[in-house]
Amino acid sequence: GAVVSQHPSWVICKSGTSVKIECRSLDFQATTMFWYRQFPKQSLMLMATSNEGSKATYEQGVEKDKFLINHASLTLSTLTVTSAHPEDSSFYICSARDPEGVFASGANVLTFGAGSRLTVL
Amino acid sequence: AQSVTQPDIHITVSEGASLELRCNYSYGATPYLFWYVQSPGQGLQLLLKYFSGDTLVQGIKGFEAEFKRSQSSFNLRKPSVHWSDAAEYFCAVAPTSGTYKYIFGTGTRLKVLA
Repeated sequence: GAVVSQHPSWVICKSGTSVKIECRSLDFQATTMFWYRQFPKQSLMLMATSNEGSKATYEQGVEKDKFLINHASLTLSTLTVTSAHPEDSSFYICSARDPEGVFASGANVLTFGAGSRLTVL
Repeated sequence: AQSVTQPDIHITVSEGASLELRCNYSYGATPYLFWYVQSPGQGLQLLLKYFSGDTLVQGIKGFEAEFKRSQSSFNLRKPSVHWSDAAEYFCAVAPTSGTYKYIFGTGTRLKVLA
């Protein structure tokens, strides 16, 4: 079925540095991707909607300058955590929709990546 | 306000026993409904979904869920749990309008006793 790949799976960085996380749709084109954040033992919170060729749409309370999203192609969206601090440590998960419904899951289902765990020291 | 409630934070069952995970939602209209499973440190895998039609839906790994409109519920069931089913289970809803903004429940962590 549809596959979404995230890289890196794990990243540790020093406070004040920036970290980029990639989200790729494999075997299908995704005009829209979604970035979620998951705190330990909690649910997923939608951070932003990444739109290919245009600006991302951020959810209320999410800092646009802190979490930069770029969707430069139909198969790649990136999330850059700028000037990371320990409170940014979290599990970040992206998802994408197979708009053509090529796979059995259908066009109205999001496929999720395996997630990226960020630890800021 | 739109929300998804999973009243059970933790559930422990013995291997081979039956399982039911509860999910209730509050939404303006009947949304799309999903169950996802997350293994530790992993992303989410779709178990099953309900869009319309038959209110009893079958999913992967032997799971099924029943949509009850009158109760705004979408409970997940499995007749016989396997040790490999131990994971976190999330119920989610999404609008049928096509924005794909999923709203997730807080999850139910399933522990399976050998």
